[in-house]
Amino acid sequence: SQQGEEDPQALSIQEGENATMNCSYKTSINNLQWYRQNSGRGLVHLILIRSNEREKHSGRLRVTLDTSKKSSSLLITASRAADTASYFCATGDLNNDMRFGAGTRLTVKP
Amino acid sequence: ETGVTQTPRHLVMGMTNKKSLKCEQHLGHNAMYWYKQSAKKPLELMFVYNFKEQTENNSVPSRFSPECPNSSHLFLHLHTLQPEDSALYLCASSQDKNSAVEQYFGPGTRLTVT
Repeated sequence: SQQGEEDPQALSIQEGENATMNCSYKTSINNLQWYRQNSGRGLVHLILIRSNEREKHSGRLRVTLDTSKKSSSLLITASRAADTASYFCATGDLNNDMRFGAGTRLTVKP
Repeated sequence: ETGVTQTPRHLVMGMTNKKSLKCEQHLGHNAMYWYKQSAKKPLELMFVYNFKEQTENNSVPSRFSPECPNSSHLFLHLHTLQPEDSALYLCASSQDKNSAVEQYFGPGTRLTVT
């Protein structure tokens, strides 16, 4: 089964900087979702982007999807210490079966 | 709060014990999921229920046994587990499995097998 693979595995930035995380996958998808997880907690849904969409925004979050390159990116602008968490992409295949990657651990230093 | 609750939040059990994890969702969803999350590994989908019917079993060992008595409740029965089964077990729900919609996760049960 396919999985999204996040890159980098870990990212450390200063508060106020932008954070970019990438996700690559191997087979055709129906949609791609980004989730956030604070340490030891459940995942929280951030954005869903469908295969016919190229970009979506939600507050300080911007997600892009390039189906030709089988990749997506999550941009967090003007980061805050509270953005410190792990971020996961999940790919939904043509049956809407979702597969998660191992995540990117983001640390935002105050 | 996401509307999905899990109990217990922490569980320590020996390899010969039998225990159960419980998940309840208050969102009116029809699909429920069990995931296993181990350190530095992708989230592993274990079981999927859609309208109370099991639709997926991802080659999960029989020492894990799911039960879905109704659309709001999901259990994971544990029996003779191994130390490598120690992980965070996450429950999630969604409107239904066949729609491309987001999943809502519970806070998880941290399981330690001694």
